[in-house]
Order: sequence, then structure tokens, then C-alpha cells
Amino acid sequence: NAGVTQTPKFQVLKTGQSMTLQCAQDMNHNSMYWYRQDPGMGLRLIYYSASEGTTDKGEVPNGYNVSRLNKREFSLRLESAAPSQTSVYFCASSEAGGAWQPQHFGDGTRLSIL
Amino acid sequence: TQLLEQSPQFLSIQEGENLTVYCNSSSVFSSLQWYRQEPGEGPVLLVTVVTGGEVKKLKRLTFQFGDARKDSSLHITAAQPGDTGLYLCAGDILGGSNYKLTFGKGTLLTVNP
Repeated sequence: NAGVTQTPKFQVLKTGQSMTLQCAQDMNHNSMYWYRQDPGMGLRLIYYSASEGTTDKGEVPNGYNVSRLNKREFSLRLESAAPSQTSVYFCASSEAGGAWQPQHFGDGTRLSIL
Repeated sequence: TQLLEQSPQFLSIQEGENLTVYCNSSSVFSSLQWYRQEPGEGPVLLVTVVTGGEVKKLKRLTFQFGDARKDSSLHITAAQPGDTGLYLCAGDILGGSNYKLTFGKGTLLTVNP
């Protein structure tokens, strides 16, 4: 099983450019999440989607937008990239909410903004 | 403010040694998870603890949730090079959103052959 698939794996952008990070899961999970991981900061939640058709802000939503396209896909968009958004981005999914539900992570997108 | 403090931040040991890493908070958590992350990959769940005082074992790994549900520990017996990785604790604060996991910054473990 593929699990959670993220594309692209690597990307370099110039300040001010826009791009969309794609995420798809094949586990029929209801909930999906976007995190960023920075050295010394740990994983921080950007946005989440509790179920198809809903999205909510996490800890660090500024500068990002998300779309829950269908049950499988959850995309993250940077409208005007800034160097502070250089990070590794992880998408995750879980069957439902609650920390007792295991979150399954993709392998990340490494994004550099010059 | 870091809600979940992990210690130590870095740990380098020899194969066969025992070790313990800690995850502490001033907040009460409904449940707490431990993940391991290897370079270039996403975190993978090791265990979830839900009840205060709970102890779970996964082969050579022993996880404990504090009685007050504010802290947790991970003990590895006879560490092996395959245990090398970043260990992350994560939890949902009691009374908070079910969907918002708070992660610690992690403990980077290196086990040398």
C-alpha cells in the first residue's frame, strides 16, 4: 500500500512565487493534516481537515491556504512564498480525530525559498 | 512556549547500552503518542498511551504515561544501531481540539556499533 503520497519531494522557489503541495491517501481516512518541520521547532500543525468538506486552522496558518479536494486529497498552497516558509512539509492522515488515532505521515516535501 | 519538553535533545550511545528519554509538560493530556522518524522519512507511530500510569512494551522499548498524564518516558533496553532516529512525543491537551496534536521537538538518538 502506498499510504500517504506527497508531491513533489523537493522544490526550490523564488520569493513571491506560488505553488501547491499535493497530498493523497489511499487508506479511506476521514481526517488529514499539514505540518511543517523546522530545526529546533519540532512539527507544527498548519491546517487540518476533520472530514471531507471541512478545513480548520492549526498553530501556524498564516501565508497558507488549503483545499480538501475529496476524501483522498488535501492540498496546501503558498500564494506568495517567503524565505520564512523554507521548511519540510508533511502531510498526514488518520481514520478520525483524537490523539488515540494514529496519524500516518508521508515522506515530506523539502521546500527552499530563495 | 513549548507545551511538550523532550530531554535530552541529543543522545549518542554505544550498542548494548540502556537509555531513557523524557517528555514533560505542565498541561494534562488526554493521550500521548510516541513516534520515530528516520532521515528523509515521515514519523512512524510506535505507541499510544491513554491511561495515567499506563505502561506499554514494544519488544525492547518500554513506554510509560505519568499518573497525572503530564509526562511520559521511553526506555530502550540494549540499544541497537537500528534504534537510531528522532523520537518524538505528541499529545492532545485535555479539553482541547481532538485534531490538534502538540509535538515535542524530539530526541535525536544515535546508537554506535
